[in-house]
Amino acid sequence: GNSVTQMEGPVTLSEEAFLTINCTYTATGYPSLFWYVQYPGEGLQLLLKATKADDKGSNKGFEATYRKETTSFHLEKGSVQVSDSAVYFCALNSGYSTLTFGKGTMLLVSP
Amino acid sequence: KAGVTQTPRYLIKTRGQQVTLSCSPISGHRSVSWYQQTPGQGLQFLFEYFSETQRNKGNFPGRFSGRQFSNSRSEMNVSTLELGDSALYLCASSFAPQAESSYEQYFGPGTRLTVT
Repeated sequence: GNSVTQMEGPVTLSEEAFLTINCTYTATGYPSLFWYVQYPGEGLQLLLKATKADDKGSNKGFEATYRKETTSFHLEKGSVQVSDSAVYFCALNSGYSTLTFGKGTMLLVSP
Repeated sequence: KAGVTQTPRYLIKTRGQQVTLSCSPISGHRSVSWYQQTPGQGLQFLFEYFSETQRNKGNFPGRFSGRQFSNSRSEMNVSTLELGDSALYLCASSFAPQAESSYEQYFGPGTRLTVT
């Protein structure tokens, strides 16, 4: 079946550091890939998406490229801020409106 | 446009009781999905409704059920509550005219259910 594997956290960084959160997936067909972010006490917010191989999704300084050959969708940001502290979820669309999520990676950014 | 709303935001129930959670999707969205989030299992898909029909279902016992109304609002019901049902229940809506695979889902703030 479909599955998503994310690096375990927490990831602890200083402000302005470079961020990478690894995400790999297993899926049949050609799923769409997503990154969602969850701030404390809130629901999930869509951060970015990519719908086909080599697509790059980007938003608020975050980027991720759909790599079919390595089945990966790693999240990157060049310079993190304290306000980026949250839990990040990688997900793939499994058909209809079904999302399969990774376990989530907590990011903690200190000033 | 108003976002996805869920009511109530917090709920405390006792084992054996039943509970109904409500979700109002973004205007114009016809697909509503439900997810359970727990620290141990993470985010797990419960079911999805489109135009009042359940299109997809996750691997949960029959105690978990749902429905969708003609205005796209959805409810989910959990009967005979167990301690393990304590979780954040998230609803998501999507503008999904057909079984497209590329559309995104927009999540509500969730309902925090505590079973004692």
